[in-house]
Amino acid sequence: AQSVTQLDSHVSVSEGTPVLLRCNYSSSYSPSLFWYVQHPNKGLQLLLKYTSAATLVKGINGFEAEFKKSETSFHLTKPSAHMSDAAEYFCVVSGENFNKFYFGSGTKLNVKP
Amino acid sequence: SQTIHQWPATLVQPVGSPLSLECTVEGTSNPNLYWYRQAAGRGLQLLFYSVGIGQISSEVPQNLSASRPQDRQFILSSKKLLLSDSGFYLCAWTTGRPPLHFGNGTRLTVT
Repeated sequence: AQSVTQLDSHVSVSEGTPVLLRCNYSSSYSPSLFWYVQHPNKGLQLLLKYTSAATLVKGINGFEAEFKKSETSFHLTKPSAHMSDAAEYFCVVSGENFNKFYFGSGTKLNVKP
Repeated sequence: SQTIHQWPATLVQPVGSPLSLECTVEGTSNPNLYWYRQAAGRGLQLLFYSVGIGQISSEVPQNLSASRPQDRQFILSSKKLLLSDSGFYLCAWTTGRPPLHFGNGTRLTVT
């Protein structure tokens, strides 16, 4: 069975400091993993995806994530937070036949000036 | 390029009234289509998904139903809304492979 655990429900950082949003997954096969961002009352926007190619994945807006199979992790990072990064972030793993997707419970990122 | 349209953006309905939310995808054929719901303080809950016309899989038995009358059209319905149906409803699609692409959502408030 597939599952996703986002280890922090809320993360608060100061503008200009690094961001780390943690995600662990469980999968019985080689998964595809994704990070999405959601601003209030908006749909989810794809930040980046891992689909069994390079383990370090670069996404939009300066975000990147590293797939670590040994640790079953896919943490999202950004070197320097911007006020516009304040949003909710979701880690997602796809099902084996790609018909279903499993979402983490989300991490709300607060960026302080 | 592909786009997804979801409407209305906001909706306020009384308890017991019917519901119809519509989602349309442009620029692709035979997409997989999904309806998700976000309730306040909760994550995303998959309600229905469809891999083809007339093929609907229900994930959570409840007061809602879905239909796919055309290849790129996905409709979420209810005959009688409950207070617990309030939430943010999101339509999404894939080509049959990841990733998911989301619409802008519909904020439904049942009063």
